[in-house]
Amino acid sequence: DQQVKQNSPSLSVQEGRISILNCDYTNSMFDYFLWYKKYPAEGPTFLISISSIKDKNEDGRFTVFLNKSAKHLSLHIVPSQPGDSAVYFCAASASGGNYGQNFVFGPGTRLSVLP
Amino acid sequence: DTAVSQTPKYLVTQMGNDKSIKCEQNLGHDTMYWYKQDSKKFLKIMFSYNNKELIINETVPNRFSPKSPDKAHLNLHINSLELGDSAVYFCASSHERQGFTEAFFGQGTRLTVV
Repeated sequence: DQQVKQNSPSLSVQEGRISILNCDYTNSMFDYFLWYKKYPAEGPTFLISISSIKDKNEDGRFTVFLNKSAKHLSLHIVPSQPGDSAVYFCAASASGGNYGQNFVFGPGTRLSVLP
Repeated sequence: DTAVSQTPKYLVTQMGNDKSIKCEQNLGHDTMYWYKQDSKKFLKIMFSYNNKELIINETVPNRFSPKSPDKAHLNLHINSLELGDSAVYFCASSHERQGFTEAFFGQGTRLTVV
């Protein structure tokens, strides 16, 4: 049973436009959410995160929005650049004060930014 | 200046063999993980160690045994390799603190069992 879902396997966006990647989760215990970017033959690279006490976190061109009631988060990339073409993974964890977090990953969305 | 490094990057081996994948991090983190990315591209946690102690042990065949000689290293040993073990294995580490933290990943080891 997938606890973290990314229903769009792929997304194509024109350079300079906004990219919106979506993620849904089912476990209400999740209180920390992360986005990772992955290029082929490399490991996932941390991009941005948000805790459940916030509904928005911004870092440069990247903004993550969290809607707890809908159990939905999204990553906005503005403006999109060709170098943003990669697979984006949404991940979630339940901190609960315990050590050794179990990051649960979604299946990923392949973003292609067209020049 | 690699933060989390895994060796080897590629590993091709025959069924029934025993193999190890090594992982080292120089970030001073105290928690390390092994993740498996299967053919459907899902990243799933296998193990988590905090200060050399096993914290998370998901449902993984006991042919897989993690070994942490110190908190900068977490190696993965696999006995009696099977075709279904073919996958990409990622090591990761994080600085453990109560609350929120992110994991940093190695470049992955692509294991192919033939």
